[in-house]
Amino acid sequence: GESVGLHLPTLSVQEGDNSIINCAYSNSASDYFIWYKQESGKGPQFIIDIRSNMDKRQGQRVTVLLNKTVKHLSLQIAATQPGDSAVYFCAETLSGYALNFGKGTSLLVTP
Amino acid sequence: KAGVTQTPRYLIKTRGQQVTLSCSPISGHRSVSWYQQTPGQGLQFLFEYFSETQRNKGNFPGRFSGRQFSNSRSEMNVSTLELGDSALYLCASSPRGTGREKLFFGSGTQLSVL
Repeated sequence: GESVGLHLPTLSVQEGDNSIINCAYSNSASDYFIWYKQESGKGPQFIIDIRSNMDKRQGQRVTVLLNKTVKHLSLQIAATQPGDSAVYFCAETLSGYALNFGKGTSLLVTP
Repeated sequence: KAGVTQTPRYLIKTRGQQVTLSCSPISGHRSVSWYQQTPGQGLQFLFEYFSETQRNKGNFPGRFSGRQFSNSRSEMNVSTLELGDSALYLCASSPRGTGREKLFFGSGTQLSVL
């Protein structure tokens, strides 16, 4: 079954607001998590990753939070821009060399 | 550096045919993975290759196969196509293939089975 899932299939935010995209995972053994952004007609593009020995990691305008107690991952985007409109996927590596992706959240940024 | 290149970009086939998709990874990347993306199932792992060896395989029937060449380029093949095989097939590469590093994706091959 699906071990990585997203709480909301779509998220609409106003330009300039902060966005939060959530993701739940079921396997406590997962030790690596990653967020991707996919724009229409393109392949997924890396945003940020985090290892299980961390609970927060920041990038440019993005922050990933990892809560291992409740097996929850979130992506925060600061000052959301129209170019942030895309589908966002979280993924985890369990064992081996594959990423297990969630079904994605569509982020729509309105002016 | 050039990104991951997948060819062809679009394919239309009929049921029962077979298809071969090609992927050229980023120069120096030794691991190549393949994923199937559909609206209903999202991104699903097909297989991963490293140094011409398949190390991991997802839950797909034997009609789906792949290989990797000595220059790290990879191909995947789907035989006896079914309507449900219509999907975007994505290839991704990574430098060391540790499973704990980011994957670089191509733009995919959109396969339509009629």
